Formats: sequence, C-alpha cells, structure tokens
Amino acid sequence: NAGVTQTPKFQVLKTGQSMTLQCAQDMNHNSMYWYRQDPGMGLRLIYYSASEGTTDKGEVPNGYNVSRLNKREFSLRLESAAPSQTSVYFCASSGPGGHQPQHFGDGTRLSIL
Amino acid sequence: KNQVEQSPQSLIILEGKNCTLQCNYTVSPFSNLRWYKQDTGRGPVSLTIMTFSENTKSNGRYTATLDADTKQSSLHITASQLSDSASYICVVSRNNAGNMLTFGGGTRLMVKP
Repeated sequence: NAGVTQTPKFQVLKTGQSMTLQCAQDMNHNSMYWYRQDPGMGLRLIYYSASEGTTDKGEVPNGYNVSRLNKREFSLRLESAAPSQTSVYFCASSGPGGHQPQHFGDGTRLSIL
Repeated sequence: KNQVEQSPQSLIILEGKNCTLQCNYTVSPFSNLRWYKQDTGRGPVSLTIMTFSENTKSNGRYTATLDADTKQSSLHITASQLSDSASYICVVSRNNAGNMLTFGGGTRLMVKP
C-alpha cells in the first residue's frame, strides 16, 4: 500500500526555470494538499483541493499553480522558479470530515540556484 | 493571529527515559489538535487526533493531553527508544475552515544510547 507518492524526490533548478511536482494517492481520498516546509518554520499550505475539479489557495500561493488531474493526482507547478522557493515540498491527502488525519508523502527537496 | 508554539525546540534524552513535549496554541475556533512524528527525510505521520471533549489519548508509548481551556497540549513519551529520535509537530485544526491546519515549528528529539 503506497499511500501518497511524490516525484521527483530531489531537484535542482536555475532561477527562471519551470517544473512540475507530481503527487498521487491510492487511498481514494477526496482532499489533497500541497505544503512547503522551511527550516525553523511549520509547514505552510500552498494550495489544496477539496475534491476533484476544485482547487483553492492556501497561505502562500504566490508563484505556484496547481492542477487536480483526477481523484488520485494533484500536481504543483512553478512557472518561473525563484531562490525563495527553495524548500521541501510535501503533498498530503485526507478522507472526509474534519477529524481525519492527513497522510503525507515523503517530500520533494527542491533547490533553486 | 492563529499560532501554534512548541517547546522546547530541541531535546536530548537517554534511551529508556521519559520526556514531555509542550504545545500552546491561539487557533480559534478550535476543531481538533494533532500530534505528528516526522523522521528525518520523511513526511509527517499522524500519532493522535484529539477533539475538544478529549483530555487524553494514547498511541502505544505516546500519550497526548489536551486542556482546551488553557489552550495547551502535551505529548508524553514513555520509555524512549532510539527510533523515537525525530521531530514532533503539534498541529491545530480550525473549525469552519475545512481541514485547514496550523502547524507548530516542531520539537526535535534525539534519543541517545
């Protein structure tokens, strides 16, 4: 049972390059999330998708776009990468209701030079 | 402002000893409080979720307490093991905000033999 799978695990980009981070879950969850984790700070929500076909901004959406491709997949795109976007990116999913745990992938470590 | 503060930031204990991690929050309106364990290089994994009416909840050697009046929670680890070395993250969910979470910065625990 894979849970939440993120690809790639590591990536180095140059400023101005674009890339897409992929996320897929096999738990039939409706809700999916993208977070970033920076040293000394708590995880911050970038975008989330409450169900297939819907996406909403989180706390730090600037510089990012998302696509909920289907129920399983939720991708995060950096159109023009900036050094401030160097971070570890986590995707998560959760079942229905407000008291369900979020299940996280193991992250994508992204460095932008 | 909705915030979650954790203390201490880091902690070193000897294998077999107990320890207690603290969490204070100002998130409102409160829905539930979660503790996650994050191993180095991995995504967070849920340990417990407590709603307003729950004072204590256990998961093996992990016991979480919640005082919703003082907006404080603690995570007690009994008979620590080397595998307990990780970051422990306190997370609070806001009511009427979907499954939106506010993350603390974590306590980094190192268990030494």
